[in-house]
Amino acid sequence: GDSVTQMEGPVTLSEEAFLTINCTYTATGYPSLFWYVQYPGEGLQLLLKATKADDKGSNKGFEATYRKETTSFHLEKGSVQVSDSAVYFCALMVSGGYQKVTFGTGTKLQVIP
Amino acid sequence: EAQVTQNPRYLITVTGKKLTVTCSQNMNHEYMSWYRQDPGLGLRQIYYSMNVEVTDKGDVPEGYKVSRKEKRNFPLILESPSPNQTSLYFCASSFGGSNYGYTFGSGTRLTVV
Repeated sequence: GDSVTQMEGPVTLSEEAFLTINCTYTATGYPSLFWYVQYPGEGLQLLLKATKADDKGSNKGFEATYRKETTSFHLEKGSVQVSDSAVYFCALMVSGGYQKVTFGTGTKLQVIP
Repeated sequence: EAQVTQNPRYLITVTGKKLTVTCSQNMNHEYMSWYRQDPGLGLRQIYYSMNVEVTDKGDVPEGYKVSRKEKRNFPLILESPSPNQTSLYFCASSFGGSNYGYTFGSGTRLTVV
């Protein structure tokens, strides 16, 4: 079955540090890949996506590149801010069928001033 | 504003007392889905719907029911809640297709005592 593996958290960084959150996946078929962000007390928000190999998704300074050869979709940001503190979920959706999204377990990021 | 609205945000109930969590979206989305979020387990799909009157089980459907009588509404029903259904629940909707992510509601925190 489809699955997503994320690095364990929590991740604690100082403001302006470089962020990488690792994500790897296994999927039957050709998935689209997503990163969602969950701020405290809120629902998940779509952060960025990539729908085919070598695509780069980007939003709010975050980036992730769809690497088919390594089945990875690592999230990066060059300089994190305190406001980036949240839980980040990597996810995949295989095209066709019923739009099921498979999520990773989430990685909590805490950015300290 | 485009959104998914869940109610209530918080609910404490007793074992066996039937309850309904409502979900409504104003984006004319075809697909709707319910997830539960538990620590260390990420998000797991409970039920999904591809359109009016079309619903099916997700990964953890036991103890839950859903209905889709109108396109905008997708209520989650717990006929006889038990303590192991204490969780954070999210409703989500999507246009469908791998280019679109899901839009999530703000969540319902349910406690069954």
